[in-house]
Amino acid sequence: GAGVSQSPRYKVAKRGQDVALRCDPISGHVSLFWYQQALGQGPEFLTYFQNEAQLDKSGLPSDRFFAERPEGSVSTLKIQRTQQEDSAVYLCASSLEIPNQPQHFGDGTRLSIL
Amino acid sequence: AQSVTQLDSQVPVFEEAPVELRCNYSSSVSVYLFWYVQYPNQGLQLLLKYLSGSTLVKGINGFEAEFNKSQTSFHLRKPSVHISDTAEYFCAVHTGGFKTIFGAGTRLFVKA
Repeated sequence: GAGVSQSPRYKVAKRGQDVALRCDPISGHVSLFWYQQALGQGPEFLTYFQNEAQLDKSGLPSDRFFAERPEGSVSTLKIQRTQQEDSAVYLCASSLEIPNQPQHFGDGTRLSIL
Repeated sequence: AQSVTQLDSQVPVFEEAPVELRCNYSSSVSVYLFWYVQYPNQGLQLLLKYLSGSTLVKGINGFEAEFNKSQTSFHLRKPSVHISDTAEYFCAVHTGGFKTIFGAGTRLFVKA
């Protein structure tokens, strides 16, 4: 079956530009997570959706980061006025429900800010 | 606050040798524990999970892990590794909220 799909796989942007990263979770998965993975580090939690409701956004590093999941399926992570420190791999994961269900990860979007 | 410590950043090992990747966590409440594997340019894939019950958990690809509550550890083991096991391994803890906390990862490098 189809897994979690993320696009684009690679994104290069100039400092100050806005970017949008897309996540298409596994059909029927209620929970959706966004993570930021810096080089050589583990994933760091950014935000969590249960269907269309954003229940936790405590990991978003600044107000330049915004995520949405308007219909409870596809999600978009938007970063405004990008900075070099935003360069990382952004991972999306989905699961049937929390707390104890394993998460299914997409292959990530590698974002490079020049 | 919960945290996860993976004690080794890199573990080199020869093919067919046993390996143990160490993970310690801190939490004041009950935890769910996971090990994930990440191959280059890919997302994370679940190896195994501990939710409750038997403290010895078996996963895919011949890996197993043992939950030790008194030592707050969840070490990953494999009796005989293959070249294809070369990857990054992440230990993770979930305490029932919305967040999963990941360790910094251990790079397993299997040599011929």
